[in-house]
Amino acid sequence: LAKTTQPISMDSYEGQEVNITCSHNNIATNDYITWYQQFPSQGPRFIIQGYKTKVTNEVASLFIPADRKSSTLSLPRVSLSDTAVYYCLVGDTWNSGGYQKVTFGTGTKLQVIP
Amino acid sequence: EPEVTQTPSHQVTQMGQEVILRCVPISNHLYFYWYRQILGQKVEFLVSFYNNEISEKSEIFDDQFSVERPDGSNFTLKIRSTKLEDSAMYFCASSDPQRGGSTGELFFGEGSRLTVL
Repeated sequence: LAKTTQPISMDSYEGQEVNITCSHNNIATNDYITWYQQFPSQGPRFIIQGYKTKVTNEVASLFIPADRKSSTLSLPRVSLSDTAVYYCLVGDTWNSGGYQKVTFGTGTKLQVIP
Repeated sequence: EPEVTQTPSHQVTQMGQEVILRCVPISNHLYFYWYRQILGQKVEFLVSFYNNEISEKSEIFDDQFSVERPDGSNFTLKIRSTKLEDSAMYFCASSDPQRGGSTGELFFGEGSRLTVL
């Protein structure tokens, strides 16, 4: 799986848009980019996944440039409840055996300030 | 919405004792996983399980660990002889290979906190 690099922590005020960037220089052709959110003492929760360009769902947007060596998770108008750790994962999680291994990095701890 | 459930939520045990952590994955999912998270650290992959056998395991998953799907609903993690360093939150997850693109979303349970004294 491609190694990922993301900021250790970020602070943001309530109501602001937050962008968390993840670098993945060694991303392979078949790799997808996936973001998870984890609240304290809870299991990670899937946020969004993409392969290229832009993906948007009800929670977030994911921007992936043409070279796919980085990606940016965008959270619109964050609230205090968005305070969590955000993980960027890159990999071809389906191999010929049909199973997947998902490895988490250190993540970005987002603190939303009132 | 279907969810992964784990029991117990918290278990305290003495070093050297055996522990079994239980998970009920989402019913139509075929892939099952265990992860652990030591307090303040990242989520670490332990093992994946498919078709009643281990698909992949990490270097953490040594001989003291084992997994089993004893019936059609439960998925268990056994730690034979617990050590102090096994104290962590253990997360079970499951995924559905039919859902979404070429990668699946992992659904995690709330975790079982293991404290080894």
